[in-house]
Amino acid sequence: EVQLLESGGALVQTGGSLRLSCAASGFTFSSYGMHWVRQAPGRGLEWVSSISGSGGDTYYADSVKGRLTISRDNSKNTLYLQMNSLRADDTAIYYCAKDPNYEGKKRFDFWGQGTLVSVSS
Amino acid sequence: EIVLTQSPGTLSLSPGERATLSCRASQGISSNALSWYQQKPGQAPRLLIYIASSRAPGIPDRFSGSGSGTDFTLTISRLEPEDFAVYYCQQYGSSLTFGGGTKVEIK
Repeated sequence: EVQLLESGGALVQTGGSLRLSCAASGFTFSSYGMHWVRQAPGRGLEWVSSISGSGGDTYYADSVKGRLTISRDNSKNTLYLQMNSLRADDTAIYYCAKDPNYEGKKRFDFWGQGTLVSVSS
Repeated sequence: EIVLTQSPGTLSLSPGERATLSCRASQGISSNALSWYQQKPGQAPRLLIYIASSRAPGIPDRFSGSGSGTDFTLTISRLEPEDFAVYYCQQYGSSLTFGGGTKVEIK
């Protein structure tokens, strides 16, 4: 059974940093691309970032480029999102999601339950 | 960036009725690279449909997807109580973007 468990969400001040983690199990982690998707309170879904199975290719939404960094440790079956220079509009639930393909440029076939990031001044 | 516009914003229907949700793209989506997701309050989204019309594993056959190019439709043939939720379309023909969602509520 595929399981994705996010952690690391917290209340942080504007301009601060945070690192989110997503522990994966139930599948061969290194064979699949992974994503981060966020949802601001009461709002819709927004794709944030994607990474290929090897970690060699990464992709970002324009709204986070240069501030958020996706990475993965295939030896630990864990996906990360390093968040720097946080702004109020980064406040959201952050979901980790699996791609059905290696490249990580498709869709989201399994999702974690999310972790809440709140950015406050 | 391909912008996806979903309509209507809210659909008020009764159990047993048919639901038709629309997703329109600002430009053609290559290879019908469009998915649909269901999200219930307090839960993560769930993949329903991919490549416009293929049902994800475990999804009941009352859910169907159709369309191509710029116009796509999700149809729920007979609404069950557990189908009242928010539905999002998502394209992966050019980068990744979501529509704004359609809420299906009980009339």
